[in-house]
Amino acid sequence: AQKITQTQPGMFVQEKEAVTLDCTYDTSDPSYGLFWYKQPSSGEMIFLIYQGSYDQQNATEGRYSLNFQKARKSANLVISASQLGDSAMYFCAMREDTGRRALTFGSGTRLQVQP
Amino acid sequence: EPEVTQTPSHQVTQMGQEVILRCVPISNHLYFYWYRQILGQKVEFLVSFYNNEISEKSEIFDDQFSVERPDGSNFTLKIRSTKLEDSAMYFCASSEGPRFSGETQYFGPGTRLLVL
Repeated sequence: AQKITQTQPGMFVQEKEAVTLDCTYDTSDPSYGLFWYKQPSSGEMIFLIYQGSYDQQNATEGRYSLNFQKARKSANLVISASQLGDSAMYFCAMREDTGRRALTFGSGTRLQVQP
Repeated sequence: EPEVTQTPSHQVTQMGQEVILRCVPISNHLYFYWYRQILGQKVEFLVSFYNNEISEKSEIFDDQFSVERPDGSNFTLKIRSTKLEDSAMYFCASSEGPRFSGETQYFGPGTRLLVL
């Protein structure tokens, strides 16, 4: 079974609007971390935001926020006030706190911001 | 701001040749990783390294692969005899350690390897 599922291969959003990128995960571990990374066309992987499974509040980092719904096992990324520079691939990843440090990535969502 | 660096940015090699990909992790980080991303696919974990030894590896990381920290700053991935299917972007990452929760892995810009 997929541990991280990103069901939107591609998304379009108008500049200055908000967009939500979906991520669902599957784990039986009570302790885990969820991460979002951005990959522009140049190829590098840029860390955006982190949510721990025991965190009471949704994580926020500037224009990025994470809509964490633990019971639904979802960790959607919300980008507010989209900018042209937000056009990129976005990957959701999970680390299960079982002594393993490996990140498991989803297949990604390609976001295109339109002027 | 400190960052992970990788060299070369691109490498073209012939099938069967050995390649060494180099990384300089963030200086105070203790854990180092290699991931790969075949074109158009998801990022896959290869190996993690701590205290001068492999702490975890995936099934992809077979005997063709090895990692080394030859000095205090570099971290290398060696592929002994490259195959066509080794063509991918290889990412190095590092994290602070040893605390676990919330520990973020910071990625380098990647080395794009093409095996002909």
